[in-house]
Amino acid sequence: DAKTTQPPSMDCAEGRAANLPCNHSTISGNEYVYWYRQIHSQGPQYIIHGLKNNETNEMASLIITEDRKSSTLILPHATLRDTAVYYCIVNRDSWGKFQFGAGTQVVVTP
Amino acid sequence: DGGITQSPKYLFRKEGQNVTLSCEQNLNHDAMYWYRQDPGQGLRLIYYSQIVNDFQKGDIAEGYSVSREKKESFPLTVTSAQKNPTAFYLCATQRLAGGPGANVLTFGAGSRLTVL
Repeated sequence: DAKTTQPPSMDCAEGRAANLPCNHSTISGNEYVYWYRQIHSQGPQYIIHGLKNNETNEMASLIITEDRKSSTLILPHATLRDTAVYYCIVNRDSWGKFQFGAGTQVVVTP
Repeated sequence: DGGITQSPKYLFRKEGQNVTLSCEQNLNHDAMYWYRQDPGQGLRLIYYSQIVNDFQKGDIAEGYSVSREKKESFPLTVTSAQKNPTAFYLCATQRLAGGPGANVLTFGAGSRLTVL
């Protein structure tokens, strides 16, 4: 399974867009990019996933580069409740095991 | 109320005792997973199961055991062989059939085990 690289932490001002980068330079053609977040002492929550097209839902947007070697999760208007650890994961199989790295600690400040 | 129920939420045990963490789901999801999380770390996979009566070891299975006798249940036993069992344990489920939402992991609220 491909590995991902994320910055360990980033800050964001409330109301501004938060752009979270993820590198996955060894991603294979059939691997999806998934994003989850984990608020302190809770179970991770699914945010969004995609294969090669950009995706948007009510929580966030996912931008995947054309070569698929990196992606960006965009929280369009960050709130204090978005403070969490964000995990970027690539998953090889249709069901495959999800391998979580250390993620990015995002702190949204007033 | 659909979802995943993990119990107990907090558990204290003496060193050398086996403990069993419960994970029950009413989502009718096929696969179930157990992860372990240590402070400041990501999640590490302990065991997973795609179907009833079948399960596979994850990356850190030593000192743990599981069973999958029913689709709804996937209990995890932390045995005395686990060298450092104090951690946050997370159960997750996954619907394997196609369609929207398939393959996405859904997590329970977790169980925090402290070994004294």
